[in-house]
Order: sequence, then structure tokens, then C-alpha cells
Amino acid sequence: ETGVTQSPTHLIKTRGQQVTLRCSSQSGHNTVSWYQQALGQGPQFIFQYYREEENGRGNFPPRFSGLQFPNYSSELNVNALELDDSALYLCASSFRGSNSPLHFGNGTRLTVT
Amino acid sequence: RKEVEQDPGPFNVPEGATVAFNCTYSNSASQSFFWYRQDCRKEPKLLMSVYSSGNEDGRFTAQLNRASQYISLLIRDSKLSDSATYLCAVNRYGGSQGNLIFGKGTKLSVKP
Repeated sequence: ETGVTQSPTHLIKTRGQQVTLRCSSQSGHNTVSWYQQALGQGPQFIFQYYREEENGRGNFPPRFSGLQFPNYSSELNVNALELDDSALYLCASSFRGSNSPLHFGNGTRLTVT
Repeated sequence: RKEVEQDPGPFNVPEGATVAFNCTYSNSASQSFFWYRQDCRKEPKLLMSVYSSGNEDGRFTAQLNRASQYISLLIRDSKLSDSATYLCAVNRYGGSQGNLIFGKGTKLSVKP
């Protein structure tokens, strides 16, 4: 069974730039969720995708957007980066409709300077 | 009131101690509850789901109190390897597993 994988592991960007983070879901999972975790905080829900459509969104501005592809992989895009966007970005997959918990990838640590 | 609140940490305990974490949630419609463990600079990993009747996994016991809207995690006979941050997670709406709301986490340090 292949777990959730994310790329890149680390990234440094400048304020105002755009970034794309990638995630491959665990095999058999059809739902992907993205979370932002700032230092010393719990993960904050950004949004969830199911059947290639956004299916729930947290309190994040529109400059945070995403995509889910037919193979259930996903991207998180952030435009106009701000210093406060520096965080660990976590992707998690699950199988919608079952009682399976979230399985997280190892995350992408984004630093905005 | 925050959606999910946890005991402030850190908890510093000796090996062999019993330690308990509590977590309260605000949405009475929540149906799914979990405890995750997160090591420093790593991703959260599922420790255990929390069931209505309470459940145990080795040294770990999780309980749910729907009336008071809190969940708890008890760790018996603490090991050095239990040192980590423990996150409770509650689903926001009834059903969707992906829309989990996490607490800030409670850091546990087990000392020799």
C-alpha cells in the first residue's frame, strides 16, 4: 500500500510570489484534504476535494486554491504569498463514506521571506 | 469559544507515570473523534479513534463524553518514546472525515 506523498519537502519563496504544492493520495483513497500548520499550532483545515471538486473550505482567502486530478492526486496553489503563509502544509487522504481516518503526508515546509 | 480546545502544556512526567489529556469541542453534531500524535517537525499520525463506549489500545485509553462534549486520552506506564505532541481532532460536520478540526496540541515530555 502506497502512502501519501508530498513534494517538495522544503520550499523558500519571496513575498508576492506564487507556489504550487503537490500530493499523491494513498492508493484506494478518493478524498484529499489540505491543512496549514503554523509553528506551535494545530493543523488548520484549508479545503477538501472529492471527485475533482472542492467539497468544503476553511477560513482561508481565495488566493488559496486547489485541484484534484482523476488519479486522486492534488495540488495546492497559493498566490501573492505573504509572510504569514510560512508554515507546514499537510495533505491528507481518506476514503469518503467509510470510517477511515485521515492519513497525512510528510508535509511541505514553506518559508516566505 | 474555540471549536476544539486542549489542555495547555507542556506535560513533563517521569517514566512510568500515568498522564491524561482532555479535549473539549463545541459542535454537538460532531460524530468522529480522534487522537493524533505528532513528533517534532513530522506529520501527525493517527494514534487512535475514539468510540462512544471508550476504547483501549495497550497503554492508551480514549474516552468520549458526549453530554459534556469532551474526549480524553490516558497514557499508562509512560515511556520515553511517548514524548511528542498529542492532537485531538473532531469532525466539523456529521459525517465527512476530511473536515477535521484540530486542537493546538499538548506537548508531552517523558523524562528518565
